[in-house]
Amino acid sequence: QVQLQESGPGLVKPSETLTLTCTVSGASITDSYWSWFRQPPGKGLEWIGYTYYHGSTNKNPSLKSRVSISLDRSNNQVSLKMNSVTAADTAIYYCARQIRRYFDWWGQGALVTVSS
Amino acid sequence: QPVLTQPPSASGTPGQTVTISCSGSGSNIGGNTVDWYQQVPGMAPKLLMYTNSQRPSGVPDRFSGSKSGTSASLAISGLQSEDEADYYCAAWDDSLHGPVFGGGTKLTVL
Repeated sequence: QVQLQESGPGLVKPSETLTLTCTVSGASITDSYWSWFRQPPGKGLEWIGYTYYHGSTNKNPSLKSRVSISLDRSNNQVSLKMNSVTAADTAIYYCARQIRRYFDWWGQGALVTVSS
Repeated sequence: QPVLTQPPSASGTPGQTVTISCSGSGSNIGGNTVDWYQQVPGMAPKLLMYTNSQRPSGVPDRFSGSKSGTSASLAISGLQSEDEADYYCAAWDDSLHGPVFGGGTKLTVL
């Protein structure tokens, strides 16, 4: 069974950088694509981007300029950084394993609130 | 604004069959397969159906999916109280080069 666990600060100040880590167990991050999503409170899901160990990365154009996604093979982790955050970035952030074009395992989510 | 269109709510009584629709366009549903995710309030999304009609291990065969043209649907037969959740359709979008989602359908079991 694959398990994913998001971690990071629950509160980020406006204009600062949001950083989240997704720790994967039960699978190697080198074997699959890994995606990040977010869900504002009471709203639907939005795809942020995906990355693959062997080089392929793509991001939602609406967030592309502010987002980076990276892999840490030694710790089997996937990281998300989003800069210049505003209140509109307040959401639950999820990481998920991507198989072809669907997402079979999800983390439990991490709530990030942007507020001063 | 969600790219795929779903009804915001659906309901049924135990034992009934409920169908949730999902409408898109040629760049997403029309040219790619559809997946469905179930999200119980306060929990992470869970893959319910992939590639239009394939159920992951552990998903009861009460759940079935189909796709035609630029639309898809999820049917839940023998409705049970534990089916109460939000259901999201998703499909790859060739313009975005990533997945797009519906706004979600809140299913209530009366």
